[in-house]
This record gives sequence, structure tokens and C-alpha cells, in this order.
Amino acid sequence: ETGVTQTPRHLVMGMTNKKSLKCEQHLGHNAMYWYKQSAKKPLELMFVYNFKEQTENNSVPSRFSPECPNSSHLFLHLHTLQPEDSALYLCASSQDRGYNSPLHFGNGTRLTVT
Amino acid sequence: KQEVTQIPAALSVPEGENLVLNCSFTDSAIYNLQWFRQDPGKGLTSLLLIQSSQREQTSGRLNASLDKSSGRSTLYIAASQPGDSATYLCAVSSGSARQLTFGSGTQLTVLP
Repeated sequence: ETGVTQTPRHLVMGMTNKKSLKCEQHLGHNAMYWYKQSAKKPLELMFVYNFKEQTENNSVPSRFSPECPNSSHLFLHLHTLQPEDSALYLCASSQDRGYNSPLHFGNGTRLTVT
Repeated sequence: KQEVTQIPAALSVPEGENLVLNCSFTDSAIYNLQWFRQDPGKGLTSLLLIQSSQREQTSGRLNASLDKSSGRSTLYIAASQPGDSATYLCAVSSGSARQLTFGSGTQLTVLP
């Protein structure tokens, strides 16, 4: 049990589908993040939320749409994805956005786009 | 733009051996450096965080050092065990947004 829970663990979707990834943290943290991990590439930061407000968007295509209704929950809404979007999507949280405290990661959602 | 390199990409050692994993970064103006462990199909687990003003951090059999001026960090694992087998990633916090830039990781296999 990691303190950061992601669902679903695996997702297969067609290019025309709409789906959502969910992340929940039970650590009382104020900042939450979405990262993308592709094979043979370093982790890429996608979005950062601090106290429910989006503070960073790393030039992510609009087919990825984040939502943070409160400090404990984070969603990533997906639509009209491309095969190259297949990857492990990781959610993380930290006490504050300044990266002075360690990041706590969930186990990720393995996404396959067919 | 910060770049983080980890060498080697993969390492295989017999059980009981002491080993060192390397991490280098191009911009020495960092806020902190973090080491993570990732098991197959899982998320990352934070191992050690070194603030820019610190030289090293220790946790159990792990010791991480930081030489900011030369842009290098090492993770020392003492008396390695098969359970240490995983991918180890380092990440540095830098820039105005203090974003973490990750290396590609070193995949460690400890043979029984």
C-alpha cells in the first residue's frame, strides 16, 4: 500500500475512445503530479497541481486533460489518443510544490492505445 | 536545459558485493537531488533526498553523495542482496520552477 493509489492498473483503448485515469493520495499532501514514462526514455513531467490549482503544464497535447477537484484527487481525461501515447502514467504527490520534500508515487496505469 | 545521465544503463553483480551507481547533471545550480528505486511494473519509491547544501545522506545500507560543483552524485549500496534488484533513478531539482529532471536509470541485478 503506497499511500498513492492509481486506477485502473491497466487500460487498453482505441484511438476514438474517451477514458479517465484516477489518482488518490492519502498522505495529506498539497501538490500532485502526472508523469509519463515511455520505454527507454526518462520520466516526463506532464502537469503539476498545488492546492488544486494547476501550476505547470509541460506543453502537453490537448488530448490529455487534467482535473483536480481537491487536494486528494487527480484525474487525467484521455480522448482521441495516438499509439505513441502508450506508456506508463504515474501519479505522484509531495508535501509542497517546491520539490523540497520527496515525491511519493503510485504504481501507475499501463496504457495501451490500439 | 538540465540533462541527467546515469551510467551504466545496466549492472549485474553477485550477492554481497558493494557497488556504486553514478549520476551526472549538466547544470550545477540545483536545489536538491533525489534517488529513487523502481521495481518492474511499479511506481517509484523515494530512497534519499540530498539538499544542495548537503554532501551526503545515508539510509541503512544506502549512502548517496553529492558533488554539486562537478555535477555528480553517487549511490553506494553496501552488501548487496537479491532484493536490491531494481532500476535506480536519480533526479535533480533545478530551474525557476524547481522541476525534477530524471535520468534514464540503472537497472541493477544482484545474483544469488
